[in-house]
Amino acid sequence: EPEVTQTPSHQVTQMGQEVILRCVPISNHLYFYWYRQILGQKVEFLVSFYNNEISEKSEIFDDQFSVERPDGSNFTLKIRSTKLEDSAMYFCASSDRPSSYNSPLHFGNGTRLTVT
Amino acid sequence: SQQGEEDPQALSIQEGENATMNCSYKTSINNLQWYRQNSGRGLVHLILIRSNEREKHSGRLRVTLDTSKKSSSLLITASRAADTASYFCAPRTGTAGNKLTFGGGTRVLVKP
Repeated sequence: EPEVTQTPSHQVTQMGQEVILRCVPISNHLYFYWYRQILGQKVEFLVSFYNNEISEKSEIFDDQFSVERPDGSNFTLKIRSTKLEDSAMYFCASSDRPSSYNSPLHFGNGTRLTVT
Repeated sequence: SQQGEEDPQALSIQEGENATMNCSYKTSINNLQWYRQNSGRGLVHLILIRSNEREKHSGRLRVTLDTSKKSSSLLITASRAADTASYFCAPRTGTAGNKLTFGGGTRVLVKP
């Protein structure tokens, strides 16, 4: 069964550094998402992306964050200047249609980001 | 986008027993989705039930939906240790964008 893949599985970075988290969504999917989960807390929505533009973003997704689909397969999340509180699991997800159209989200296994 | 509220927050059962968890939501929906998260892993979609459906089965999973009460339940029958995970419901409306919003979930521990 096709799956969403994320790399790296674990990223350690120093405060203030830029990080790029990478995702390869399922190939025929058109809707892409990033979520994050701080240890012991809820899975929180960050951003959704469709047709090469952001369709929705949360308050968490401030100017430090950006997303890009640089080619036909990758979907990236960039954090420009990491803070300690950015330490979390970051999950990428994709779907073939909007989830209101009875289409589930398919999640990757996440990248654990540790900011020191 | 609305999130569901799962109840109970945590559930501990013996292997072989059934586990039932509930989800309540506030506004009318197109569908409601259940997901599982094993510790440290991504969410896995389990079942999607549409607003015009009342019950759906998938293997050992049974989901019910009562739109008049704005609630859903997930039943895991004959539980196994591998069912130990957190379970989340995600109600979907038609006008709230594409995102799903997740609540705190129900943490299920199945003891061997």
